[in-house]
Amino acid sequence: DIQMTQSPASLSASLGETVTIECLASEDIYSNLAWYQQKPGKSPQLLIYDASSLQDGVPSRFSGSESGTQYSLEINSLQSEDAVTYFCQQHHDYPYTFGAGTKLELK
Amino acid sequence: QVQLQQSGAELAKPGSSVKISCKASGYTFTSYDISWIKQTTGQGLEYIGYINTGSGGTYYNEKFKGKATLTVDKSSSTAFMQLSSLTPEDTAVYYCARGARYWGQGVMVTVSS
Repeated sequence: DIQMTQSPASLSASLGETVTIECLASEDIYSNLAWYQQKPGKSPQLLIYDASSLQDGVPSRFSGSESGTQYSLEINSLQSEDAVTYFCQQHHDYPYTFGAGTKLELK
Repeated sequence: QVQLQQSGAELAKPGSSVKISCKASGYTFTSYDISWIKQTTGQGLEYIGYINTGSGGTYYNEKFKGKATLTVDKSSSTAFMQLSSLTPEDTAVYYCARGARYWGQGVMVTVSS
């Protein structure tokens, strides 16, 4: 199985700051990566697909990028509603696998 | 609009089985696979497998072979997942999903004596 190593596990930032969350794939996943946001008690919501494409309706302060097997989610101008949990998922090969998640908190 | 409506929470005893449902609406059911995902606090998100809603063909993550059985009822646009020989380690929220974009609301399955 492809391992997705997500970091950091938790992150504390202030309103208006820019934060970056990363996922390292154990092998090439050819940009087949999605980023999700999950609010408490809710199902994951798609933010980014194909590593860098913004899902319709998602604020433009969210962006995705890649460098080799390292994938990044950047959140600019942090808002209070962004203080939730984020996951990456590779959908290059079965079984699809997820990162362990990053819990973002406000300072 | 696309919706995946899952059945309600389940409380089950060790050794028993549960069958949870995922009713699709707002699109042609047989045009898209339905995936199932397990979420626990300890293990995070795990991909269980998917079912081709047109043919009934399935893929299972090796870890869930023998644990999960995926079926569909095309007449009601509903996908099902049966979990058998339940143990406390099966206590989790289970989601159905259509691709990455559309997820059900999740079903909490609690296994306890």
